Amino acid sequence: SAVISQKPSRDICQRGTSLTIQCQVDSQVTMMFWYRQQPGQSLTLIATANQGSEATYESGFVIDKFPISRPNLTFSTLTVSNMSPEDSSIYLCSVGPAGRYGYTFGSGTRLTVV
Amino acid sequence: AQKITQTQPGMFVQEKEAVTLDCTYDTSDPSYGLFWYKQPSSGEMIFLIYQGSYDQQNATEGRYSLNFQKARKSANLVISASQLGDSAMYFCAMREGSQNTPLVFGKGTRLSVIA
Repeated sequence: SAVISQKPSRDICQRGTSLTIQCQVDSQVTMMFWYRQQPGQSLTLIATANQGSEATYESGFVIDKFPISRPNLTFSTLTVSNMSPEDSSIYLCSVGPAGRYGYTFGSGTRLTVV
Repeated sequence: AQKITQTQPGMFVQEKEAVTLDCTYDTSDPSYGLFWYKQPSSGEMIFLIYQGSYDQQNATEGRYSLNFQKARKSANLVISASQLGDSAMYFCAMREGSQNTPLVFGKGTRLSVIA
């Protein structure tokens, strides 16, 4: 299965600023998925990123707030823009399954907005 | 409507005992996959086991087995011989349709293993 390198692992940011999270995959993948996990909650899908096209956002998430870049088949970024304390969460990227081996997740970015 | 329901917010189990974590799902797609993940306090998502909708047999992976009851739309995770290291959050998730669709997660169950 794929291996994902996600950076940064954690950050503390001032409100009103932006943070860009990067995910690098060790193999080419068609789809990458971005999730948010608010404190004590489950994972919620933010968007699906397909190389060469605009990302598809889930209800409640908009491109202006969470712009996504997918320049090639091994890399994607998620930016959390104009941050507020409510954006404090773990953000994870994921790629689809290799057979029965499950979806692979990055190690997550633990974001705290102060 | 929720697609994945985990009704046990928290569970306790004695070390070396078996424990069942419940998961029910809702889909009208005949092709789907069910997954269980473990999330320790470090936050990483660890894949445990997979069950495909067309699989005839229940999946097993070491101490993990999946009790798949298709008619009831349930996919319960059974952990045998619990260990202290099994203490974590456990999420049930589903993929509908093709392999390039995202997972939908349940709310999770926090398992605590007691010595």
